[in-house]
Amino acid sequence: GESVGLHLPTLSVQEGDNSIINCAYSNSASDYFIWYKQESGKGPQFIIDIRSNMDKRQGQRVTVLLNKTVKHLSLQIAATQPGDSAVYFCAERMNSGYSTLTFGKGTMLLVSP
Amino acid sequence: EAGVAQSPRYKIIEKRQSVAFWCNPISGHATLYWYQQILGQGPKLLIQFQNNGVVDDSQLPKDRFSAERLKGVDSTLKIQPAKLEDSAVYLCASSVRDRRETQYFGPGTRLLVL
Repeated sequence: GESVGLHLPTLSVQEGDNSIINCAYSNSASDYFIWYKQESGKGPQFIIDIRSNMDKRQGQRVTVLLNKTVKHLSLQIAATQPGDSAVYFCAERMNSGYSTLTFGKGTMLLVSP
Repeated sequence: EAGVAQSPRYKIIEKRQSVAFWCNPISGHATLYWYQQILGQGPKLLIQFQNNGVVDDSQLPKDRFSAERLKGVDSTLKIQPAKLEDSAVYLCASSVRDRRETQYFGPGTRLLVL
């Protein structure tokens, strides 16, 4: 994916607000998408996934929306908490027998108390 | 359930030296991945194992990087000789070969090449 170097896109919100993090994916043949959360000094942590035959999936406080027409993915976090502060990555998987993931640009979410 | 374990957590070496990283995947996970994450970027796949066989190493710089998973469980990733641009976090992940193929990541090894 395209490199953003040290300057990650950043979303700053207040505690309790809803957050929306966007991601544009690259391959129309991708059939599976995942959002990961990465806190400083840790590995990426699975949040939620969605298959290409769906356009919405909900989890606990999180919702992923998929728009295949424009190859766009979004992650909505309800009632954002300071513990949600992290870098969020979307990843896509090509339709293949072995799950090769391609990660997109990260977005840093900063939640102020 | 224990997560993916990696060691060491940090490593500082000089260029042209060698370094090795170790990964123990989640028990029962057949697929193991090594990723390189440069500061400010998403992880980039280096190599993927299915049990002890390589299924994708197209992004692995084979002139200096090597990896093995001899018994289909633990894996090591080696860099020899290291270059300055190898400074990054090396992440190991594993997955069960199921329909969802969720990958679970370890904490990573932070490598600094001076």
